[in-house]
Amino acid sequence: DAMVIQNPRYQVTQFGKPVTLSCSQTLNHNVMYWYQQKSSQAPKLLFHYYDKDFNNEADTPDNFQSRRPNTSFCFLDIRSPGLGDAAMYLCATSGTGTSGLTRHTQYFGPGTRLTVL
Amino acid sequence: AQSVTQLGSHVSVSEGALVLLRCNYSSSVPPYLFWYVQYPNQGLQLLLKYTSAATLVKGINGFEAEFKKSETSFHLTKPSAHMSDAAEYFCAVSRDGMGTYKYIFGTGTRLKVLA
Repeated sequence: DAMVIQNPRYQVTQFGKPVTLSCSQTLNHNVMYWYQQKSSQAPKLLFHYYDKDFNNEADTPDNFQSRRPNTSFCFLDIRSPGLGDAAMYLCATSGTGTSGLTRHTQYFGPGTRLTVL
Repeated sequence: AQSVTQLGSHVSVSEGALVLLRCNYSSSVPPYLFWYVQYPNQGLQLLLKYTSAATLVKGINGFEAEFKKSETSFHLTKPSAHMSDAAEYFCAVSRDGMGTYKYIFGTGTRLKVLA
């Protein structure tokens, strides 16, 4: 089945120690998104890629970076995690096509729960 | 500015009772509308999405939603709640011109199903 995969599902890191979260997709979608979701809140968009074009949200801290080496993979790098960065990180994808609904529908991975000690 | 309102951050229903989760959007142009479900420590699973072909949309797990343009609403319903429906539900809106296919999420509604 075509899907969005996130690894690891649970990640524990130490305060200030860099961490990388991984997302891969078999949907061959052009757009990939990274969201941060804190407890009892809606997901908050950090940035997204349209193909190789990187689009950063204005309020995303510089501590968060992303890489997309190819269509299938996207990484979220947190350079110096703080306690406030503990959250669920969600990757999502959306496709292209003539249908607007196809372009606008996002498919989410299972998420990575990040704990910062 | 585009916004999405989900009335009721917590909703409790008895098992077998009707589920009604409310979503209202503000947009001068009919948007693309979605409902997602999120179980604890899981990602968001697409329940259903609005297509202009029909105002009543059927989704997975017995859920459906009705688009009412006059009320700018897209409420989610299920005739009979099951214990496994206990989860967080998010309404989301997207439309052309908002910025590349970005979602505006509602604040979410946590559904509790009572035995």
